[in-house]
Amino acid sequence: QTALTQPRSVSGSPGQSVTISCTGTSSDVGGYNSLSWYQYHPGKAPKLMIYDVTKRPSGVPDRFSGSKSGNTASLTISGLQAEDEADYYCCSYAGSHIYAVFGGGTKLTVL
Amino acid sequence: QEQMVESGGGVVQPGKSLRLSCAASGFIFSTYAMHWVRQAPGKGLEWVASISYDGGNQMFGDSVKGRFAISRDDSRNTLYLQLNSLRTEDTAVYFCARSTPRSIATFDVWGLGTMVSVSS
Repeated sequence: QTALTQPRSVSGSPGQSVTISCTGTSSDVGGYNSLSWYQYHPGKAPKLMIYDVTKRPSGVPDRFSGSKSGNTASLTISGLQAEDEADYYCCSYAGSHIYAVFGGGTKLTVL
Repeated sequence: QEQMVESGGGVVQPGKSLRLSCAASGFIFSTYAMHWVRQAPGKGLEWVASISYDGGNQMFGDSVKGRFAISRDDSRNTLYLQLNSLRTEDTAVYFCARSTPRSIATFDVWGLGTMVSVSS
């Protein structure tokens, strides 16, 4: 059960775009389209931002978008806003025995 | 309003046991698979355990397999996690989460978490 690989931190200025990568293997990220992204402000409940690689739940701004190529998925946040500053985690279905594996998390700083 | 509230966390000695609860409201609990996810201090999220909507299927992460048990009481709209043979590395905030039937391993509602600290 090896965690997916994410950069520890990314940063950007208000209005800019940032992309967070999430790298796994053919047994998780590359093998399934059940790839989701979560926004986490410590002390609050994690929030689902993207699921099935590219889909946005109701209420999530379209500034948030997802993609995947091979074993690497990406979350792009455009038009950065101060309230986007948070930790972001990717998560992939990993098969019938492991079920789910998360990334190590990326801290987004809005400068 | 769909929500889940965890309880039962606390400080416990290594080797001891603890039972966490997650009370759900605002949705038909019995129709959803439910999960526990944890975050150790300074670490990322880690999937811990899952139970199917009918309780018939349960899965566990490698780090807790054989020590933790997951169960549900649909009459009480409550999810449980029994933590046995606790280790210091089990220290974490434990979240309960619901998965949407639209997409496997997608957690669409989360609780705020309950802290478990394993220390002598």
